Amino acid sequence: EADIYQTPRYLVIGTGKKITLECSQTMGHDKMYWYQQDPGMELHLIHYSYGVNSTEKGDLSSESTVSRIRTEHFPLTLESARPSHTSQYLCASIPPGHRVGYNEQFFGPGTRLTVL
Amino acid sequence: KNQVEQSPQSLIILEGKNCTLQCNYTVSPFSNLRWYKQDTGRGPVSLTIMTFSENTKSNGRYTATLDADTKQSSLHITASQLSDSASYICVVSATNTGFQKLVFGTGTRLLVSP
Repeated sequence: EADIYQTPRYLVIGTGKKITLECSQTMGHDKMYWYQQDPGMELHLIHYSYGVNSTEKGDLSSESTVSRIRTEHFPLTLESARPSHTSQYLCASIPPGHRVGYNEQFFGPGTRLTVL
Repeated sequence: KNQVEQSPQSLIILEGKNCTLQCNYTVSPFSNLRWYKQDTGRGPVSLTIMTFSENTKSNGRYTATLDADTKQSSLHITASQLSDSASYICVVSATNTGFQKLVFGTGTRLLVSP
């Protein structure tokens, strides 16, 4: 069982603020992911990382940026939040040495962001 | 286009009853199919994972089936409990090595009523 933590769990901020959503995992997972999920909708991949100093954009265009300086941390930053950024943000990771064909992703509890 | 469609969108059943959720996909190349349970405001939790060679997988009261020929999967919940109320998401993986591309369905929202 993987332990993935996300903070804050809930965030309400005003337009134009800079925010960072934290994601950390304690199991030494190399691959990490950020998803965006609107209520009742499917998850959309916005960023992923193969490991330290590796970051890539996902399928859904996002104005956010990520960094991966340490294996256990994968923070997501919005330089200037807007109401269109209101959503739930989910972080996930996969352990190394995966079994081919399985690659189970473990999800964090999510951060629900509201931008006023 | 890679797509995962789930039905029904929502479902209400009485506690103790069984139910079956459906998933149809058009994802290629197919690697595996997962069912996740997502409680409101929480991250998804994996229930089952199946590769193309597996046609059934159980996890307690949850039983998933997979027909790779027709590209259909189902999740059967037996003797439902109030705690089963959640969204159930079908997710198909489109690659077998390296970076996996996951295609998510929009989920079936299940409400188990006392």
